[in-house]
Amino acid sequence: AQSVTQPDIHITVSEGASLELRCNYSYGATPYLFWYVQSPGQGLQLLLKYFSGDTLVQGIKGFEAEFKRSQSSFNLRKPSVHWSDAAEYFCAVGTAQGGADGLTFGKGTHLIIQP
Amino acid sequence: GAGVSQSPRYKVAKRGQDVALRCDPISGHVSLFWYQQALGQGPEFLTYFQNEAQLDKSGLPSDRFFAERPEGSVSTLKIQRTQQEDSAVYLCASSFSREETQYFGPGTRLLVL
Repeated sequence: AQSVTQPDIHITVSEGASLELRCNYSYGATPYLFWYVQSPGQGLQLLLKYFSGDTLVQGIKGFEAEFKRSQSSFNLRKPSVHWSDAAEYFCAVGTAQGGADGLTFGKGTHLIIQP
Repeated sequence: GAGVSQSPRYKVAKRGQDVALRCDPISGHVSLFWYQQALGQGPEFLTYFQNEAQLDKSGLPSDRFFAERPEGSVSTLKIQRTQQEDSAVYLCASSFSREETQYFGPGTRLLVL
């Protein structure tokens, strides 16, 4: 069975600073990887996804993520954060393209933005 | 409606009551998923439909949980004889096909007293 680890429960970043959120996965075959963001009282919004091809994936809101098979990682990055980026971030792995078998999520990283 | 909608948004139930949670997927989306998100945790998969067929219910925590999608569109998640441990946010997601990305609704927050 697949699993996802997000090692950082909370991260605090100053507005304008760069951001990296870590995600490690465990899955025996090629994974399909996702990052979602959840604001308070809101559903999950897809930031970006990796299915195949280029290992550096661009997403919405200026986010990007890099798939590193050798490290079983899919870290999320943003060069300069904005106060509106404060939210909960979830990494997820799917076993079929699009996750038809149901996505497996990490426990999330809570991002706090300092002014 | 451009997105997935869920109702009610909030539900308070007394222990032992039955509850029904509704999901309206994006029009034309064949695949529909239910997830349970406990406080401070990531969502956990409950069940999956392709049209009206429930193809995977491996994540349902007990036989008190039941989901249906009789016409291949709207889905209902029913929880019988609710327990306090059922308190969570229940998320619904849909996708155009099993190969496509899932889009999530805002969730129903269930509190069992």
